[in-house]
Amino acid sequence: AQSVTQLGSHVSVSEGALVLLRCNYSSSVPPYLFWYVQYPNQGLQLLLKYTSAATLVKGINGFEAEFKKSETSFHLTKPSAHMSDAAEYFCAVSERNTGKLIFGQGTTLQVKP
Amino acid sequence: NAGVMQNPRHLVRRRGQEARLRCSPMKGHSHVYWYRQLPEEGLKFMVYLQKENIIDESGMPKERFSAEFPKEGPSILRIQQVVRGDSAAYFCASSMGTAGSGTDTQYFGPGTRLTVL
Repeated sequence: AQSVTQLGSHVSVSEGALVLLRCNYSSSVPPYLFWYVQYPNQGLQLLLKYTSAATLVKGINGFEAEFKKSETSFHLTKPSAHMSDAAEYFCAVSERNTGKLIFGQGTTLQVKP
Repeated sequence: NAGVMQNPRHLVRRRGQEARLRCSPMKGHSHVYWYRQLPEEGLKFMVYLQKENIIDESGMPKERFSAEFPKEGPSILRIQQVVRGDSAAYFCASSMGTAGSGTDTQYFGPGTRLTVL
Protein backbone atom coordinates (compact mmCIF):
# COMPACT_ATOMS: atom_id res chain seq x y z
CA ALA A 1 0.00 0.00 0.00
CA GLN A 2 1.12 3.52 -0.71
CA SER A 3 1.59 6.07 2.03
CA VAL A 4 3.00 9.51 2.70
CA THR A 5 4.61 10.87 5.85
CA GLN A 6 5.05 14.56 6.49
CA LEU A 7 7.70 15.29 9.08
CA GLY A 8 6.71 18.14 11.34
CA SER A 9 3.10 19.10 11.86
CA HIS A 10 4.09 22.74 12.45
CA VAL A 11 6.89 24.71 10.85
CA SER A 12 7.66 28.31 11.69
CA VAL A 13 9.93 30.55 9.62
CA SER A 14 10.67 34.23 9.46
CA GLU A 15 9.57 36.26 6.49
CA GLY A 16 12.28 36.06 3.84
CA ALA A 17 13.72 32.82 5.18
CA LEU A 18 13.91 29.49 3.38
CA VAL A 19 10.83 27.29 3.56
CA LEU A 20 11.42 23.53 3.74
CA LEU A 21 8.49 21.16 4.22
CA ARG A 22 9.37 17.49 4.35
CA CYS A 23 7.54 14.61 2.71
CA ASN A 24 8.58 10.97 2.48
CA TYR A 25 6.63 8.39 0.54
CA SER A 26 6.28 4.64 0.49
CA SER A 27 5.30 2.98 -2.74
CA SER A 28 5.99 -0.32 -4.45
CA VAL A 29 5.62 1.31 -7.87
CA PRO A 30 7.01 4.59 -9.18
CA PRO A 31 4.86 7.17 -7.45
CA TYR A 32 2.93 10.16 -8.65
CA LEU A 33 3.33 12.85 -6.01
CA PHE A 34 1.51 16.08 -5.31
CA TRP A 35 1.74 19.09 -3.04
CA TYR A 36 -1.43 20.98 -2.19
CA VAL A 37 -1.96 24.11 -0.11
CA GLN A 38 -5.04 24.86 1.97
CA TYR A 39 -5.82 28.32 3.27
CA PRO A 40 -8.21 28.64 6.23
CA ASN A 41 -11.76 27.61 5.43
CA GLN A 42 -10.95 26.96 1.80
CA GLY A 43 -10.42 23.99 -0.44
CA LEU A 44 -7.09 22.64 -1.60
CA GLN A 45 -5.08 24.23 -4.38
CA LEU A 46 -2.46 22.34 -6.34
CA LEU A 47 1.07 23.71 -5.93
CA LEU A 48 2.90 21.18 -8.08
CA LYS A 49 3.01 17.54 -9.08
CA TYR A 50 5.58 14.92 -10.05
CA THR A 51 4.57 12.40 -12.68
CA SER A 52 7.91 10.81 -13.59
CA ALA A 53 9.22 13.53 -15.85
CA ALA A 54 11.81 15.97 -14.49
CA THR A 55 12.79 15.27 -10.90
CA LEU A 56 12.88 18.97 -10.02
CA VAL A 57 9.36 20.29 -10.30
CA LYS A 58 8.49 23.96 -10.25
CA GLY A 59 5.10 25.08 -9.06
CA ILE A 60 3.10 28.16 -8.40
CA ASN A 61 3.98 30.98 -5.99
CA GLY A 62 7.70 30.25 -6.19
CA PHE A 63 7.53 26.75 -4.73
CA GLU A 64 9.45 23.78 -6.04
CA ALA A 65 10.03 20.19 -5.02
CA GLU A 66 12.62 17.59 -5.87
CA PHE A 67 11.86 13.90 -6.27
CA LYS A 68 14.65 11.80 -4.78
CA LYS A 69 14.11 8.10 -5.30
CA SER A 70 17.10 7.09 -3.20
CA GLU A 71 15.68 8.95 -0.22
CA THR A 72 12.00 8.30 -1.04
CA SER A 73 11.45 11.99 -0.54
CA PHE A 74 9.59 14.83 -2.20
CA HIS A 75 10.38 17.87 -0.06
CA LEU A 76 8.81 21.25 -0.82
CA THR A 77 10.95 24.37 -0.79
CA LYS A 78 10.69 28.08 -1.37
CA PRO A 79 13.77 30.33 -1.17
CA SER A 80 12.07 33.24 0.57
CA ALA A 81 8.92 33.01 2.67
CA HIS A 82 6.16 35.56 2.35
CA MET A 83 3.48 36.27 4.90
CA SER A 84 0.88 35.06 2.42
CA ASP A 85 2.49 31.59 2.45
CA ALA A 86 1.04 30.91 5.89
CA ALA A 87 -1.29 27.96 5.35
CA GLU A 88 -1.52 24.20 5.68
CA TYR A 89 0.40 22.10 3.18
CA PHE A 90 -0.40 18.56 2.18
CA CYS A 91 1.76 16.05 0.39
CA ALA A 92 -0.07 13.26 -1.41
CA VAL A 93 0.55 10.19 -3.53
CA SER A 94 -2.00 9.04 -6.07
CA GLU A 95 -3.12 5.51 -6.78
CA ARG A 96 -2.27 4.78 -10.38
CA ASN A 97 -5.47 3.09 -11.48
CA THR A 98 -8.03 5.31 -9.80
CA GLY A 99 -6.18 8.54 -9.13
CA LYS A 100 -7.41 8.66 -5.56
CA LEU A 101 -5.10 10.71 -3.39
CA ILE A 102 -3.51 9.44 -0.20
CA PHE A 103 -2.57 12.41 1.91
CA GLY A 104 -0.03 13.02 4.59
CA GLN A 105 -1.12 14.53 7.89
CA GLY A 106 -0.35 18.04 6.75
CA THR A 107 2.12 20.69 7.87
CA THR A 108 1.02 24.07 9.11
CA LEU A 109 3.40 26.79 8.01
CA GLN A 110 3.64 29.89 10.15
CA VAL A 111 5.47 32.93 8.79
CA LYS A 112 6.69 35.45 11.35
CA PRO A 113 7.27 39.09 10.42
CA ASN B 1 -14.60 29.11 -16.05
CA ALA B 2 -16.25 28.17 -12.79
CA GLY B 3 -14.36 25.87 -10.49
CA VAL B 4 -15.73 22.99 -8.49
CA MET B 5 -18.88 24.07 -6.71
CA GLN B 6 -20.06 22.65 -3.43
CA ASN B 7 -23.20 23.46 -1.52
CA PRO B 8 -24.09 24.13 1.07
CA ARG B 9 -20.88 25.58 2.45
CA HIS B 10 -22.09 25.04 5.99
CA LEU B 11 -24.66 22.52 7.14
CA VAL B 12 -25.98 21.98 10.64
CA ARG B 13 -27.92 18.84 11.46
CA ARG B 14 -29.22 17.27 14.64
CA ARG B 15 -28.38 13.69 15.45
CA GLY B 16 -30.53 11.31 13.46
CA GLN B 17 -31.22 13.69 10.58
CA GLU B 18 -30.03 13.28 7.02
CA ALA B 19 -27.31 15.35 5.38
CA ARG B 20 -27.06 15.86 1.62
CA LEU B 21 -23.91 17.40 0.22
CA ARG B 22 -23.76 18.48 -3.41
CA CYS B 23 -20.84 18.81 -5.76
CA SER B 24 -20.81 20.21 -9.28
CA PRO B 25 -17.54 19.34 -11.04
CA MET B 26 -15.66 21.67 -13.30
CA LYS B 27 -16.96 21.89 -16.84
CA GLY B 28 -15.67 18.98 -18.89
CA HIS B 29 -14.74 16.88 -15.87
CA SER B 30 -16.30 13.46 -15.62
CA HIS B 31 -14.54 12.12 -12.53
CA VAL B 32 -15.50 13.06 -8.98
CA TYR B 33 -13.80 12.24 -5.70
CA TRP B 34 -15.03 12.85 -2.18
CA TYR B 35 -12.69 13.33 0.78
CA ARG B 36 -13.35 13.92 4.46
CA GLN B 37 -11.27 16.05 6.80
CA LEU B 38 -11.96 15.29 10.43
CA PRO B 39 -10.79 17.68 13.16
CA GLU B 40 -7.08 17.21 13.89
CA GLU B 41 -6.81 14.63 11.12
CA GLY B 42 -5.70 14.76 7.54
CA LEU B 43 -7.80 14.28 4.46
CA LYS B 44 -9.12 10.80 3.85
CA PHE B 45 -10.44 9.43 0.59
CA MET B 46 -14.05 8.31 0.66
CA VAL B 47 -15.32 7.50 -2.82
CA TYR B 48 -14.51 7.87 -6.52
CA LEU B 49 -17.26 8.16 -9.09
CA GLN B 50 -17.68 8.57 -12.78
CA LYS B 51 -20.98 9.43 -14.42
CA GLU B 52 -23.57 6.89 -13.18
CA ASN B 53 -20.87 4.61 -11.76
CA ILE B 54 -19.15 4.13 -8.43
CA ILE B 55 -15.59 3.14 -9.23
CA ASP B 56 -14.03 2.90 -5.77
CA GLU B 57 -15.87 3.25 -2.47
CA SER B 58 -13.21 1.69 -0.30
CA GLY B 59 -13.09 4.74 1.97
CA MET B 60 -16.80 4.96 2.65
CA PRO B 61 -18.14 3.87 6.03
CA LYS B 62 -20.14 0.69 5.58
CA GLU B 63 -23.37 2.10 6.91
CA ARG B 64 -25.31 5.34 6.54
CA PHE B 65 -23.11 6.80 3.79
CA SER B 66 -23.87 6.71 0.08
CA ALA B 67 -22.82 8.62 -3.00
CA GLU B 68 -24.04 9.05 -6.53
CA PHE B 69 -23.10 10.92 -9.68
CA PRO B 70 -26.08 10.86 -12.01
CA LYS B 71 -26.00 11.41 -15.73
CA GLU B 72 -27.47 14.86 -15.19
CA GLY B 73 -26.88 17.03 -12.18
CA PRO B 74 -24.38 17.20 -9.35
CA SER B 75 -22.76 14.44 -7.39
CA ILE B 76 -24.46 13.84 -4.04
CA LEU B 77 -22.92 12.54 -0.84
CA ARG B 78 -25.67 11.41 1.48
CA ILE B 79 -25.32 10.69 5.17
CA GLN B 80 -28.30 9.14 6.88
CA GLN B 81 -28.97 9.31 10.62
CA VAL B 82 -26.02 11.56 11.30
CA VAL B 83 -24.04 11.24 14.51
CA ARG B 84 -21.67 13.69 16.17
CA GLY B 85 -18.67 11.84 14.78
CA ASP B 86 -19.78 12.79 11.26
CA SER B 87 -18.92 16.44 11.97
CA ALA B 88 -16.18 17.26 9.52
CA ALA B 89 -15.31 19.14 6.36
CA TYR B 90 -16.26 17.22 3.22
CA PHE B 91 -14.40 18.07 0.06
CA CYS B 92 -15.24 17.20 -3.47
CA ALA B 93 -12.64 17.14 -6.23
CA SER B 94 -13.00 16.65 -9.95
CA SER B 95 -10.68 15.68 -12.76
CA MET B 96 -10.87 15.28 -16.50
CA GLY B 97 -10.25 11.56 -16.35
CA THR B 98 -7.71 11.43 -19.14
CA ALA B 99 -5.69 8.29 -19.73
CA GLY B 100 -3.73 7.46 -16.61
CA SER B 101 -5.94 8.73 -13.81
CA GLY B 102 -3.02 8.73 -11.42
CA THR B 103 -1.44 11.74 -13.11
CA ASP B 104 -4.59 13.82 -13.45
CA THR B 105 -4.83 16.97 -11.42
CA GLN B 106 -7.76 17.01 -9.06
CA TYR B 107 -9.41 20.37 -8.55
CA PHE B 108 -10.99 20.83 -5.15
CA GLY B 109 -14.14 22.60 -4.15
CA PRO B 110 -14.35 24.86 -1.10
CA GLY B 111 -15.87 22.11 1.01
CA THR B 112 -19.00 21.63 3.07
CA ARG B 113 -18.55 21.94 6.79
CA LEU B 114 -21.00 19.65 8.52
CA THR B 115 -21.80 20.19 12.17
CA VAL B 116 -23.92 17.63 13.97
CA LEU B 117 -25.53 18.86 17.18
